Amino acid sequence: GAGVSQTPSNKVTEKGKYVELRCDPISGHTALYWYRQSLGQGPEFLIYFQGTGAADDSGLPNDRFFAVRPEGSVSTLKIQRTERGDSAVYLCASSLTSGGYGYTFGSGTRLTVV
Amino acid sequence: AQRVTQPEKLLSVFKGAPVELKCNYSYSGSPELFWYVQYSRQRLQLLLRHISRESIKGFTADLNKGETSFHLKKPFAQEEDSAMYYCALSGSGTYKYIFGTGTRLKVLA
Repeated sequence: GAGVSQTPSNKVTEKGKYVELRCDPISGHTALYWYRQSLGQGPEFLIYFQGTGAADDSGLPNDRFFAVRPEGSVSTLKIQRTERGDSAVYLCASSLTSGGYGYTFGSGTRLTVV
Repeated sequence: AQRVTQPEKLLSVFKGAPVELKCNYSYSGSPELFWYVQYSRQRLQLLLRHISRESIKGFTADLNKGETSFHLKKPFAQEEDSAMYYCALSGSGTYKYIFGTGTRLKVLA
């Protein structure tokens, strides 16, 4: 597509539920990134994919968070047993290659856990 | 510790006045520095990066390694510059960004 697409744009869920957030990167971009932005903060790194594999998942806060990119294109961020502290905007970005040239971000998914 | 500091949460200037958005960093190694901008109801987008030494929309930023700063400057602010600005760094040739907390720029008519 023309840009990075994230769905849904907004998600409200109850504490303890499971959620999936989807990212469709720019066609041909091999690198894909997930960031989380809490209120009043800058984006914080969660995970980086190069192709199908998670090259760096060091930013995932705990084992309730998991992400996949099975065919090297669309990625899904999965959060189990959601907590109120998971409420944030989840940003996806992609780039043609990794490193140094800047990303293209999606519009984000605003997750609210009530 | 690797860190990006943007000391101002909000900066208000009048149209036509000079603008300087401050960014200081702490990084052991050779960082690459970026400025990202987010206009109202739009996505975060790359404004400029230090390695290209470019001027975008009249904005420039110079990497000062001695002062570990990468301040964003524009000589004459315009109302359409009102937005949220984030400074970010990555290690040379790496993929992971560290973002600052952002500065909201308001340009008053």
